[in-house]
Amino acid sequence: QKEVEQNSGPLSVPEGAIASLNCTYSDRGSQSFFWYRQYSGKSPELIMFIYSNGDKEDGRFTAQLNKASQYVSLLIRDSQPSDSATYLCAVKPGNQFYFGTGTSLTVIP
Amino acid sequence: NAGVTQTPKFQVLKTGQSMTLQCAQDMNHNSMYWYRQDPGMGLRLIYYSASEGTTDKGEVPNGYNVSRLNKREFSLRLESAAPSQTSVYFCASSPLGSYEQYFGPGTRLTVT
Repeated sequence: QKEVEQNSGPLSVPEGAIASLNCTYSDRGSQSFFWYRQYSGKSPELIMFIYSNGDKEDGRFTAQLNKASQYVSLLIRDSQPSDSATYLCAVKPGNQFYFGTGTSLTVIP
Repeated sequence: NAGVTQTPKFQVLKTGQSMTLQCAQDMNHNSMYWYRQDPGMGLRLIYYSASEGTTDKGEVPNGYNVSRLNKREFSLRLESAAPSQTSVYFCASSPLGSYEQYFGPGTRLTVT
C-alpha cells in the first residue's frame, strides 16, 4: 500500500464552484500534512499545510484533516481558471516526505 | 534571491554514462532534498540532507549518490545511468524548524 493515495482525476469544475480534492495516508504516525500545486512543466509550490485535526483556512483555500480517518482534503472556493493544475498531497511521518501522485484539476470558464 | 537553482535544465545520457546534477539555494536553508518525478508515480524522495555534513537515503536511493558540499549546495550523482533513471529531478530546500519545502525548476533527464 502506498503511503499517500489520491484520486488522479481529472477533476473538472465550472468557474466559481468549489473544488474538493481528497487524500488518504497509511502511516498513523504522520503529524504534518501538505498540499502543493504544480502547473504543467513547473515545479511544485506549497499552498497549504496543516498539523491539527479540523479545518485551516487561507483565502480561498481550506485544508481539512481527520487523523482518525487518516484523511486530508483541500477545498478551493470560487474556483478560477488559474487554479487549473495538479494538486499534490504530502505527508511527513518521520524525516521523509511522501507525496501522492496528484489530482489534476481543470476549472472550466 | 534566486531561491533554489538547478543545473542543467535538460540532459540526455547514454546508458552507462555518469553525470552530476547540481543544486544550490541562497535562502540559508538547513535541509535539502532530491526527488524524482515520474508519470503515475508522483514525487519520490531519493536522498535528503537534514543539515550540512549529513545525508540520508530516501525512498528510492539505488543508483544514486549525493554530496552536501556546503550549506548552499547539494549534488546528485548518477554513476552509471540506466533508462529507468529517465525522469524529472527536483531539488528542494527547507529552513530550520520548518517543513515547508521550496523547489527548484527541475532537470529533465533522458537516458537512452
